Order: sequence, then C-alpha cells, then structure tokens
Amino acid sequence: EAGVVQSPRYKIIEKKQPVAFWCNPISGHNTLYWYLQNLGQGPELLIRYENEEAVDDSQLPKDRFSAERLKGVDSTLKIQPAELGDSAVYLCASSLDRGHEQFFGPGTRLTVL
Amino acid sequence: DAKTTQPTSMDCAEGRAANLPCNHSTISGNEYVYWYRQIHSQGPQYIIHGLKNNETNEMASLIITEDRKSSTLILPHATLRDTAVYYCIVRMNRDDKIIFGKGTRLHILP
Repeated sequence: EAGVVQSPRYKIIEKKQPVAFWCNPISGHNTLYWYLQNLGQGPELLIRYENEEAVDDSQLPKDRFSAERLKGVDSTLKIQPAELGDSAVYLCASSLDRGHEQFFGPGTRLTVL
Repeated sequence: DAKTTQPTSMDCAEGRAANLPCNHSTISGNEYVYWYRQIHSQGPQYIIHGLKNNETNEMASLIITEDRKSSTLILPHATLRDTAVYYCIVRMNRDDKIIFGKGTRLHILP
C-alpha cells in the first residue's frame, strides 16, 4: 500500500515569491494534517482537515498561508509571499479518521533565500 | 508546550538494547504515553503507546513506572537503522493533538 505522497521533496525560492506544496494521503483516509518542522524541533500542527472541511486551523498564519483540500482527497498548502523564516520542512499526514493513528509523508524541505 | 522531558541525545552499540527514558511527571490519569520516531529525511513514525501497563509490539517495549511519572522505551536489539530522533508524547487519546517536543537523538554505533 502506498504511503502519504508529498511533492516536491525540495524547493528553493527567493523571498516574496509564492510556493505551493502538494499532498496525496493514503487512500481512504478522511483526516489530513499539515505540520511545520523547524530545524532541531519537533513538528507543529498547522491545519487539520476532516474530508474537505478545515476543522482546526488555529495555528495557520492566515496572512500568508492558505490550504485547500478539494474533494476531500489531495491537499495543497500555499505560502504567498514567502519570508526567510518560512524555511522549514512541511509535513503532511493522514489518518483513517481523527480517532486513528496518523501516517506521515516524507515532507517538503523549503529553503527561502 | 510538550509535557515530557527527554535527554537530548544518546548512544547505543549495535546489537545492544537501547533504553530511552522519558519524564512526564504532570501526566493525568487518563493520558496515554506515546512514542514516535523520525528517521532522517522521513516523517515521524508511530512506535507504541500505553496507559498503565507495560506494552510490547514488534518494534519495541514500553515500560511505565507505577506512579506513571516516567517511562522507558526499549529497542531490544538496536540496529543502525534505529538511528533516529525519538519523541515521547503525552496524549489524552488518538483524538488529541500530537504535541512534539525536541525528542532524543539516538545514535546506534557500529
């Protein structure tokens, strides 16, 4: 069974440019999560989706970050415009539903120059 | 904030048991202890969890003290592939958010 797929794996952009990350969860998983992981730190939750509804986005910086999960399957996380401090790994995870264990993708490493 | 305290790093010889400690002195009666690990360039991976009793699965064993204020994750025969950051997390249940701390960086030495 395929795991959580994320692309791209690496992205380098200049500050003030937009960037988007894509996540394809495990088939049949209704809950999808986006996490941010800074160097040397554990992941922090940005947003959680139940199907296509964002049910916990309290940690998402809404001035520059946005996310969507159209049709309740794939999801995209966008940053516009990117700042130097956004350099980090962006992880996607999915679970069958909220009460089941989360499976993480490999992440996208973003470098903002 | 993370409710657990772990050593920053540990070394273990290949083939030996790796014992990773975790303090969670403020744990409440209905909170579980979860362990995850993150191998370099991968996302975190669930290992094991427990409430009061010791638990064992194909990956590891979890020993929780009687007062539940600390626990130890045991990898019985560590291999080089066990080199990773190990996170000890306290959660109400699977519905609860996973709040990661900095974890313990475990180095398995050949």
